[in-house]
Order: sequence, then structure tokens, then C-alpha cells
Amino acid sequence: EIVLTQSPGTLSLSPGERATLSCRASQSVISSYLAWYQQRPGQAPRLLIYGASSRATGIPDRISGSGSGTDFTLTISRLEPEDFAVYYCQQYDNSPTFGQGTRLEIK
Amino acid sequence: QVQLVQSGGEVKKPGASVKVSCKASGYIFSNYGISWVRQAPGQGPEWMGWISGYKDSTKYAQRFQGRVTVTTDTSTSTAYMELRGLRSDDTAVYYCATSKGSSPYDSFAIWGQGTMVIVSS
Repeated sequence: EIVLTQSPGTLSLSPGERATLSCRASQSVISSYLAWYQQRPGQAPRLLIYGASSRATGIPDRISGSGSGTDFTLTISRLEPEDFAVYYCQQYDNSPTFGQGTRLEIK
Repeated sequence: QVQLVQSGGEVKKPGASVKVSCKASGYIFSNYGISWVRQAPGQGPEWMGWISGYKDSTKYAQRFQGRVTVTTDTSTSTAYMELRGLRSDDTAVYYCATSKGSSPYDSFAIWGQGTMVIVSS
């Protein structure tokens, strides 16, 4: 099983700032089968990025994904109030696994 | 639009079973597989298993093998997840989700609203 470790656990930033979230895999994720989700309280996860860098339908271009192998990054270039939530990475190279999440909170 | 609507919350005693349903609409049910993902309070999501739209193929996470069964009823476009031998640490929100694809290993673009299952004596 591929273990995903996300950092930091909590990120405190202000609206308008840039957020950089990290996801490290315990072994290489072949074909960049890595996704990112946003989850707000009481809601289901929402797909943001798939294939490490492709935006899902309706996701603004200030949200981007990058990386390959074992190191992946989610970047939000200019934080909006609705961006403050919990973010999870997921690999689907084989039996899907998720990271433990990064909480993005307002500073 | 593609939508997944799940059954309501459940309270079960340890050792019991629970069966959660997920009704799909907005697409041809047999075209896409459905996965089941659970999320315990304060934890990240956890993939449990998958069934193809034709219900001829299933995949399960190793830790749930033998305790979970996923099925479909194509006549009603509904998927089911049954979990047996419930323990207190099975308390979680259970989601169905689809990638709108045919692979068991995929990202999930569409999610149900979630079903809270509480296991308590």
C-alpha cells in the first residue's frame, strides 16, 4: 500500500496570499496518478486536480498541481475566503489511498 | 447532471451489519463503476472497494476483504455496500463516488452526500 504524507498539518495564511501544500508518497506513483481534493465542513470531498496537474471541471486556474514520482504539490496562487478548508491528496496508481490532510486556516 | 443520492444515517450495535444504498442518475449506470469511501471523524478518507457498472467485477481494499460486499441493481441504478461485524471504529461517514470511468483505480469526480453510520452499544 502506498502511504501518502501531507505537510504541513495546518497552514495559516491570509486572503490574497499564496498557499503551497505538499504530498509525499512512500513509493513512486507511476503515471502521476495523483489527485487533490478540497473538503469543507459537513461536505463530501471535491475533486480539484487529477493526473497530478489537470484541473477538474470548474476549478479556477489559480489552483494548480505539480510533481511526479514521490513528491507532489498543490498551489493556490491567491487565496480567496472560500479556499479555507481541508485538502487531501489521493493516489490511484493501485489500491487508492489518501493522505491525512492539510488544514488551511485564516490567519 | 450526474448525481449520487445515498440512504439515510444508521445506528448499529457492535457485531451487526449495515447496508448503505447509492442511487445514481444522470448517466447510463452500466457505463461507470462506483467506489465506496469512508471517513472516520477527524480522519482522512479511506477507500473500501469498487464495483463495475456491469456488476461483473469487484475490487476490495485488503483490510476490508471478507467483511465488505458491494453490489448493484442495474434495474434501479443503485449500488449497495454491506459491512459486517461492525466495531466501534467503523463509526464513520460512508460515501459512494464515481470517476465516470471503468477502472477501479481512479480519482473521484462525483460523490454522494454521505451516510453517517454510528456503531455503539
